[in-house]
Amino acid sequence: GAVVSQHPSWVICKSGTSVKIECRSLDFQATTMFWYRQFPKQSLMLMATSNEGSKATYEQGVEKDKFLINHASLTLSTLTVTSAHPEDSSFYICSANQGNEKLFFGSGTQLSVL
Amino acid sequence: KQEVTQIPAALSVPEGENLVLNCSFTDSAIYNLQWFRQDPGKGLTSLLLIQSSQREQTSGRLNASLDKSSGRSTLYIAASQPGDSATYLCAVKMGAGNMLTFGGGTRLMVKP
Repeated sequence: GAVVSQHPSWVICKSGTSVKIECRSLDFQATTMFWYRQFPKQSLMLMATSNEGSKATYEQGVEKDKFLINHASLTLSTLTVTSAHPEDSSFYICSANQGNEKLFFGSGTQLSVL
Repeated sequence: KQEVTQIPAALSVPEGENLVLNCSFTDSAIYNLQWFRQDPGKGLTSLLLIQSSQREQTSGRLNASLDKSSGRSTLYIAASQPGDSATYLCAVKMGAGNMLTFGGGTRLMVKP
């Protein structure tokens, strides 16, 4: 099946720093990628839809200036958490659509902000 | 607005049991429904995808059914094993290219 690579798998950073998370589709082109956030014992919540070559579409309540998304190519989307704070600590997962309506997910990134 | 609910939230069964996980959704005009497995601290693994025109999909010991009119889907796991312990999520898509709406998940523990 299709592979989506996400890294880093985990990151610990100090409050106020920025963290970049990468999501790559390894063997297919993804015009659309999705970014989700998951708090402990809760389900995934969509943060934004990332479209190659255009601005991301953010869900209500998600600060676009805090969660910067760049989808510069058909195989790479990045999520940058700017000026991270402890409340941003969460599990972030990306997914990509292979084109047959089936979504493939990255392995996730556990962010801990001290 | 589509809402997806999964019952039960947690389930513990002895090894070997057959079990059913439930998923319900409020808007029956779905495009497709997908079941995922998530291991602690890991990403999601797609298990089964059911298109709106389909009634069920099978993969190994897993069988997922879809009743669009009643807004329900079930995931049946036969002969459960300790390795099946994980959180199972269902998600619906309302249209081609649209994002998924996830249920809250069912945390399954299969005891040896």
